[in-house]
Amino acid sequence: ELKVEQNPLFLSMQEGKNYTIYCNYSTTSDRLYWYRQDPGKSLESLFVLLSNGAVKQEGRLMASLDTKARLSTLHITAAVHDLSATYFCAVVLNTGTASKLTFGTGTRLQVTL
Amino acid sequence: GAGVSQSPSNKVTEKGKDVELRCDPISGHTALYWYRQSLGQGLEFLIYFQGNSAPDKSGLPSDRFSAERTGGSVSTLTIQRTQQEDSAVYLCASSRPAGGRHAYNEQFFGPGTRLTVL
Repeated sequence: ELKVEQNPLFLSMQEGKNYTIYCNYSTTSDRLYWYRQDPGKSLESLFVLLSNGAVKQEGRLMASLDTKARLSTLHITAAVHDLSATYFCAVVLNTGTASKLTFGTGTRLQVTL
Repeated sequence: GAGVSQSPSNKVTEKGKDVELRCDPISGHTALYWYRQSLGQGLEFLIYFQGNSAPDKSGLPSDRFSAERTGGSVSTLTIQRTQQEDSAVYLCASSRPAGGRHAYNEQFFGPGTRLTVL
């Protein structure tokens, strides 16, 4: 059974600081996604990571994937209040043509002044 | 060019009643997924459709839960004899078929239906 663990579960950080969210998964997978969820809203796709060593960056967020360690990181640079949200990683478990997602527990990020 | 839509956005029901939740996927997306998000269990997969058939129902928590999809488009998730533990946000996602230009068939999520069972 595929298990996905995220840490930390909650992160309070000051504006301007850097921090990293970690996502570990238990079995081989084709790809990994990072999603953002604002309160009361649905999931917004941030990144898809397809191969070992993949790195994607968008603004102050950078995601990377190490398939050998079964680890992905989401790095936040110089946080701003607008980044406050819950972040989920999700790992794909392929079954035929299906690509069902197994989600991590989520990291609730709160950026304070 | 709309995204995935779901209705109703909110549903409050009494324990023991049946409810139907609807999902309209993005046009042309043949794959459709239902997920559930609850405080105790996080985000969990329920069922997957490819066209009108459901090759993977492994996430449905009990036989009170069923889903169908007609015309390769709209899907309905039905919960019979609702219980308080069914209270959650039910999310639908759709994607193009795998392969070709869409080798990693990204899933696009709808806004969800918040179900509250009293």
